[in-house]
Amino acid sequence: SAVISQKPSRDICQRGTSLTIQCQVDSQVTMMFWYRQQPGQSLTLIATANQGSEATYESGFVIDKFPISRPNLTFSTLTVSNMSPEDSSIYLCSVRAGGPIYEQFFGPGTRLTVL
Amino acid sequence: LAKTTQPISMDSYEGQEVNITCSHNNIATNDYITWYQQFPSQGPRFIIQGYKTKVTNEVASLFIPADRKSSTLSLPRVSLSDTAVYYCLVGDYKLSFGAGTTVTVRA
Repeated sequence: SAVISQKPSRDICQRGTSLTIQCQVDSQVTMMFWYRQQPGQSLTLIATANQGSEATYESGFVIDKFPISRPNLTFSTLTVSNMSPEDSSIYLCSVRAGGPIYEQFFGPGTRLTVL
Repeated sequence: LAKTTQPISMDSYEGQEVNITCSHNNIATNDYITWYQQFPSQGPRFIIQGYKTKVTNEVASLFIPADRKSSTLSLPRVSLSDTAVYYCLVGDYKLSFGAGTTVTVRA
């Protein structure tokens, strides 16, 4: 299994500013994922972040808006840049731990409100 | 990524069995079927995964017919704490979440 922590747990930000969300895992993992969950909605995959390579972004998400760092096998950051109220969401970090099944573990999420 | 269809919501009472059926007509040969549970203000939590036939663990059973175009998650004897959103996903390492099924368990 994997235990994931995220910082901050929540934040209220002004439009036009940027916020960096940290994700820390208690074990080394190859694959990390960032999701967004807008109020009352399902989860949407933003990008896949593997250590040692550029993040791979899903359709509708770009690196300039959501730059991601993956400096080692236990840590990643997601930055939400030049924020607007439409960026108000819960951002979740997820990892796929090793094992015989494709089980992913999710962090508690970061609740972002943009005014 | 294969698309999934599941009921938007289901109501049940404590002690009953809840069965949620998910349709995934375009499932690929190497795709697994995985179910997650999400409580408010928490990240999703893995429940069960299967490829074919039946899988059972300590919290649920997963039934998959031979054609694999659907699957049914069975929650035995639900309690109030099982009220949550349940997601059916098909794929391997990259998960695509559908709308999910909101299960409400009443006393």
